[in-house]
Amino acid sequence: AQTVTQSQPEMSVQEAETVTLSCTYDTSESDYYLFWYKQPPSRQMILVIRQEAYKQQNATENRFSVNFQKAAKSFSLKISDSQLGDAAMYFCAYRSAVETSGSRLTFGEGTQLTVNP
Amino acid sequence: DVKVTQSSRYLVKRTGEKVFLECVQDMDHENMFWYRQDPGLGLRLIYFSYDVKMKEKGDIPEGYSVSREKKERFSLILESASTNQTSMYLCASSWYRDQETQYFGPGTRLLVL
Repeated sequence: AQTVTQSQPEMSVQEAETVTLSCTYDTSESDYYLFWYKQPPSRQMILVIRQEAYKQQNATENRFSVNFQKAAKSFSLKISDSQLGDAAMYFCAYRSAVETSGSRLTFGEGTQLTVNP
Repeated sequence: DVKVTQSSRYLVKRTGEKVFLECVQDMDHENMFWYRQDPGLGLRLIYFSYDVKMKEKGDIPEGYSVSREKKERFSLILESASTNQTSMYLCASSWYRDQETQYFGPGTRLLVL
């Protein structure tokens, strides 16, 4: 079974600074997808960014980028120019690319990000 | 925009009561999911469904059942609520052709006394 670990329960960053959230995972599969979700106080989960394991290029979405290290099974999220609206719980998630596993996601424990003005 | 709605934001029930949590999505998604979220544990999958009347157990199905009679609606049932089922419950849906993108509802915070 796959596992996802986020070792930082809480992180803080100054507004306009850069912060990196860590995520490691364990799998025996070679093809899979990785995601970062944001959960603001409203509790609505929002997809931030996704990465296909077969792609070597790191995904980017505006101020959000990832550092995907497949051999190390590491998938960190970098938030540049942090804004107050970035304050939220961030979840790392894994999904197998194997069709028979359905589309179920395995989530990490979450990292609570605080942005200080 | 995809919209996933859940019947209640907050719910208080007594031990032993039967509890129904409803989830509705408006984008004709094939897949629907129920998770529970607990501090320090992240989100854990309870059940999911990939079609009407189809269901699969997730990681923690004990004490729960589900029903999917219509494509847009996925219900989570606590047959006899217990205090250890106090939690935040999140519903999600996804399209078969884009299975990795799950759209979440706002969540139901359930307190079992």
